[in-house]
Order: sequence, then structure tokens, then C-alpha cells
Amino acid sequence: EVQLVESGGGLVQPGGSLRLSCAASGFTFSSYWMHWVRQAPGKGLVWVSRINSDGSSTSYADSVKGRFTISRDNAKNTLYLQMNSLRAEDTAVYYCARVRVLVGYFDYWGQGTLVTVSS
Amino acid sequence: DIQMTQSPSSLSASVGDRVTITCRASQSISSYLNWYQQKPGKAPKLLIYAASSLQSGVPSRFSGSGSGTDFTLTISSLQPEDFATYYCQQSYSTPRTFGQGTRLEIK
Repeated sequence: EVQLVESGGGLVQPGGSLRLSCAASGFTFSSYWMHWVRQAPGKGLVWVSRINSDGSSTSYADSVKGRFTISRDNAKNTLYLQMNSLRAEDTAVYYCARVRVLVGYFDYWGQGTLVTVSS
Repeated sequence: DIQMTQSPSSLSASVGDRVTITCRASQSISSYLNWYQQKPGKAPKLLIYAASSLQSGVPSRFSGSGSGTDFTLTISSLQPEDFATYYCQQSYSTPRTFGQGTRLEIK
């Protein structure tokens, strides 16, 4: 069974940092591109970042470029999102999602982890 | 960036109704259009990919159609478990973008 389990969310002050993790199991993690998607309270889904299967290529939404870094450890079957210089508008539930590369749909999602940026 | 616009933003319907949600892209995305269902406090769930392909395990009352810029999600006969928020998403280009969501409520 495919499972994605996020962790690392919490309360952080503006300007602070946080690292999210997404532990994958039930599939060959190293074969799949992975994404982060976030959802502010009561709002819609917003794409954040993606990484290819071997970690050599990444992409970011303009709103997080230069502040967030996506990475992965295929030996540990884990995806990461390092978030620096956090702002109030980064407050959201962060989901990791597996993507089917050829068509680009997210076929499995984690349960999400809440990040709250507030003083 | 490709903008995705869904309509309506909210919809009230009854069990057994046929419901259609539309999604329009700001430029042609061929058939790179996916639909998700999200219930409160839960992660999104894939329903339809590549505009019209039903994800495994999803009931056949869900269907999708369209290509280019205009797409539809149809639920042929609403069931109680279908009341949720629905999102379209384009996978034609990066950044991936979602519609703003359609909240389907019980009438």
C-alpha cells in the first residue's frame, strides 16, 4: 500500500525556519517525481515545488523561490521541504504528493502537516 | 502561468441529481487536466486524470470530458458521500495550477 506521511509542521515566528519531511512507503520512491502542495486555512490548493526522481532538477512557485528548498534522500525514501524566511502568508497545510510524470497527475497524497507562522 | 477558472464556485444539489462542474484554462492545455475531490480535513483524492480517464476505484458516476481550454466534471447521480469540494488542475506546464474549487453542498 502506498503511503506518504508528512511531519515537521508547527508554530514558527515570522522570519524563522522549518523543515518538513515526507516519508514514503509501498512503492519504489526513487522512480517517482514528487511535489509539495499547500492549502491556507479555508482556501484552495496551491502548488509549491517539485523534484525529479534523482533530485537533480527542481522547480518552485514564485512565491517561495529563494526561500524554500526541496530535496530528497532516496536511500531513506524521504522527501523534504526546507522553509526559510517564513512569512504569515506561508501558513498552510502542506501536502506531499506523488506524481505520474507522463500525464502529471497527483495520484497519492499525504495527510498533510500544518505550518503556522505567527508571533 | 496558466490560470484555471472553475464554475460555479459553489453549488447546492440533492441526492440523485446530475451535477456538472466546469473548468476553463487561460490557454490550451490539450488533455492535461485532472480533477480532485476534497472533504474537510482530508487530503485531496484523484478522481479523473487526462481529462476523461477514471482513476482506479472511483465510482463510474464520475466522468470527465473536454480538451483544449474547456473541461467538465459530471456526477451522474449524486450520492451523500459526494458532497465535498472539487478542484481541477492542469499538468500541461509548470507551475502546476489549480482551479479555485467548487463546493458542492446538500440542498
